[in-house]
Amino acid sequence: GQNIDQPTEMTATEGAIVQINCTYQTSGFNGLFWYQQHAGEAPTFLSYNVLDGLEEKGRFSSFLSRSKGYSYLLLKELQMKDSASYLCAAVDSNYQLIWGAGTKLIIKP
Amino acid sequence: IAGITQAPTSQILAAGRRMTLRCTQDMRHNAMYWYRQDLGLGLRLIHYSNTAGTTGKGEVPDGYSVSRANTDDFPLTLASAVPSQTSVYFCASSDRGAGELFFGEGSRLTVL
Repeated sequence: GQNIDQPTEMTATEGAIVQINCTYQTSGFNGLFWYQQHAGEAPTFLSYNVLDGLEEKGRFSSFLSRSKGYSYLLLKELQMKDSASYLCAAVDSNYQLIWGAGTKLIIKP
Repeated sequence: IAGITQAPTSQILAAGRRMTLRCTQDMRHNAMYWYRQDLGLGLRLIHYSNTAGTTGKGEVPDGYSVSRANTDDFPLTLASAVPSQTSVYFCASSDRGAGELFFGEGSRLTVL
């Protein structure tokens, strides 16, 4: 079956760096998305990786290793507003999105 | 710029009642989707539409129906609501299949 695994919850300190991991098993692979979702709000797009390597976008970076079925989202210089859930979603061979349950990130002062 | 508009924002419904959640987008996106989100579970696809006039079943389609009469509108209907359909429902669109998704603000539905 198809599956996405990511930690349920993580805690980090304001100003620090945190890495949120995501492993995936899908029938075929056509890329991986990361979305941010603040409590009570809609998910918003953060990044998309289809090739191996690191994509940097300001304080946020996303990494993909296709051979390992692994991705991570790296958040630097954490701010209180980064407290949110982070959703990992892989695109399978039918171009359908397979979603993880999300990682709730708690930022402490 | 409105993006995607969902209505109602929140609704409490008696079991057995019929309910339609509305979704309208103004981005002229071809693909539209309905997801439900429950605590501890990932977003689960209910139905989708790759283009106006076509629809498809997602992961959890039972008890739900959709229509796509035009590009902008994609209503979701619960023919006879049951308590297990209590959830937050998100409508989303993308300009192509498996492209970046743009989500509506969600509709919180409680079935008693």
